[in-house]
Amino acid sequence: DTAVSQTPKYLVTQMGNDKSIKCEQNLGHDTMYWYKQDSKKFLKIMFSYNNKELIINETVPNRFSPKSPDKAHLNLHINSLELGDSAVYFCASRSSGGISYEQYFGPGTRLTVT
Amino acid sequence: LAKTTQPISMDSYEGQEVNITCSHNNIATNDYITWYQQFPSQGPRFIIQGYKTKVTNEVASLFIPADRKSSTLSLPRVSLSDTAVYYCLVGVPNTGGFKTIFGAGTRLFVKA
Repeated sequence: DTAVSQTPKYLVTQMGNDKSIKCEQNLGHDTMYWYKQDSKKFLKIMFSYNNKELIINETVPNRFSPKSPDKAHLNLHINSLELGDSAVYFCASRSSGGISYEQYFGPGTRLTVT
Repeated sequence: LAKTTQPISMDSYEGQEVNITCSHNNIATNDYITWYQQFPSQGPRFIIQGYKTKVTNEVASLFIPADRKSSTLSLPRVSLSDTAVYYCLVGVPNTGGFKTIFGAGTRLFVKA
């Protein structure tokens, strides 16, 4: 019974293409995130959505557009893919109530741009 | 935002206790300290969170001195399966979400 799921797990595509990554969580959380982990393993937050509203955008290029149709889903669409977009993208979620910092991460989507 | 500094890597043997220290000199009054574990090809997994003194759960202990400028994650009797990257974060959980900055982490290698 997966808590945070992502599809696809692997994505290989060519420069200039447009692709989407989907994320779903069944934990009832109201906040979801997208992270990018590059080849050096640095994990950087890209977006955060709280109740379908964008609340963080860490200076990510506007080729990246998150879409949240409801609290349980946060998809990431990437236009005009570039070589530098190759990375592992993680979706995460948490409940904004209380003081817990605990986020639940998905398994990741490895994107390779050729 | 408070920046964290951790050792790049550590080695240990099975059965030993491992202590990983994180420096966060600019920690703010309302910041909490949180640790995550990440195995290869997986997303990070929450380990423990604390504000001051000591916190213990079934997985680890977290020691935070009075000045809160550092913290130490303690893993008792590690096994080979504890080989992973460990991240220290500081920040403020709030109803509107929060900025999360993962540093480079500490790569722990547990040997037989």
